[in-house]
Amino acid sequence: GQQLNQSPQSMFIQEGEDVSMNCTSSSIFNTWLWYKQDPGEGPVLLIALYKAGELTSNGRLTAQFGITRKDSFLNISASIPSDVGIYFCAGSGGGADGLTFGKGTHLIIQP
Amino acid sequence: DAGITQSPRHKVTETGTPVTLRCHQTENHRYMYWYRQDPGHGLRLIHYSYGVKDTDKGEVSDGYSVSRSKTEDFLLTLESATSSQTSVYFCAILRGPGNTIYFGEGSWLTVV
Repeated sequence: GQQLNQSPQSMFIQEGEDVSMNCTSSSIFNTWLWYKQDPGEGPVLLIALYKAGELTSNGRLTAQFGITRKDSFLNISASIPSDVGIYFCAGSGGGADGLTFGKGTHLIIQP
Repeated sequence: DAGITQSPRHKVTETGTPVTLRCHQTENHRYMYWYRQDPGHGLRLIHYSYGVKDTDKGEVSDGYSVSRSKTEDFLLTLESATSSQTSVYFCAILRGPGNTIYFGEGSWLTVV
């Protein structure tokens, strides 16, 4: 099946730093999604991307849908303590048969 | 809030016993999904439904069955639970705009 490679696996940063993570795929996707998951909760959608080359922002978050449709990145600017969590990328071929997920990036912010 | 309620939220059961997890939605969405989440594997699709009585298998469907007799309820059944099915189970729905998937809060299942 399709696989997503998400990196880095974990990040230890200082509050105020910018964060960048990315996902690459062996297959083309028509939709890229980025989710955040806090402990004990379900993933929450952060940004959805529907077109190759699309660059979308949501507050301090910016994500891009790669031109090749095989990759996407998520940037977080000026990190704050509540940004701690696990970030997942997910891709869809465009149908409604579910998403393929990356294995997540653990973001840890050091005081 | 995706309007999804999962029950039970936490359950401990013994190997070999049947277990049913329920997902209830209040917004009349056609598509519903069951995922499991495990360390090192991320989220993987078990089964999904595209309407009442219409279901299909996902990536990790072995050992699981599903049923959807009403639009609002999607049930996941482990006929005979095994320790490898200890996991966190998430229900999700497909909602527009953009046909995006939204998740419930999860059901923590431990099989001992």
